[in-house]
Amino acid sequence: DAKTTQPNSMESNEEEPVHLPCNHSTISGTDYIHWYRQLPSQGPEYVIHGLTSNVNNRMASLAIAEDRKSSTLILHRATLRDAAVYYCILRDSNYGGSQGNLIFGKGTKLSVKP
Amino acid sequence: EAQVTQNPRYLITVTGKKLTVTCSQNMNHEYMSWYRQDPGLGLRQIYYSMNVEVTDKGDVPEGYKVSRKEKRNFPLILESPSPNQTSLYFCASKKTGLVNTGELFFGEGSRLTVL
Repeated sequence: DAKTTQPNSMESNEEEPVHLPCNHSTISGTDYIHWYRQLPSQGPEYVIHGLTSNVNNRMASLAIAEDRKSSTLILHRATLRDAAVYYCILRDSNYGGSQGNLIFGKGTKLSVKP
Repeated sequence: EAQVTQNPRYLITVTGKKLTVTCSQNMNHEYMSWYRQDPGLGLRQIYYSMNVEVTDKGDVPEGYKVSRKEKRNFPLILESPSPNQTSLYFCASKKTGLVNTGELFFGEGSRLTVL
């Protein structure tokens, strides 16, 4: 599986936008970019995923570089509840084999200050 | 409500006493997986299952067994637990196939302490 690199930690102020970066320079053409987050004392939860185009949902936006070697998760207005560890993960879209596997790294710990 | 349910949520046991952590999902998902989470090491995959009777090792399978006799259940078995298996365990499931969104659903976790 291709690897991702994220900063260990980031800080944000409440109600300000947050841009969480992820580098994945060895990404292959069939790798989807997934983001999960883990709130304190909870299991990870899905945030968003994309392949080539930028994606938006109710939780966040995903901006994918044109060469796909990096991406950014954008939280438009951080709240205290967004304090969590955010994981950027690559998953091969090819059916079969390890298609279901998501390999989690250490992620970025986001702190949100009131 | 769609969910992944793990039991027990908390367990303290002693070295060598066999235990099973159950995992059940009600979403008819084909894929299920077990992870362990340790400070500084993040989430590491133990075993996964692509469907009934199909299981495979993840990154840290030593000391664990799994079975997938039914689609909804994926128990994690520690035949002879040791203190280095003290950890927080998560079960997860997802739908697979050409139209799947890739979203993994996680349980709330099972905190295991082996003395």
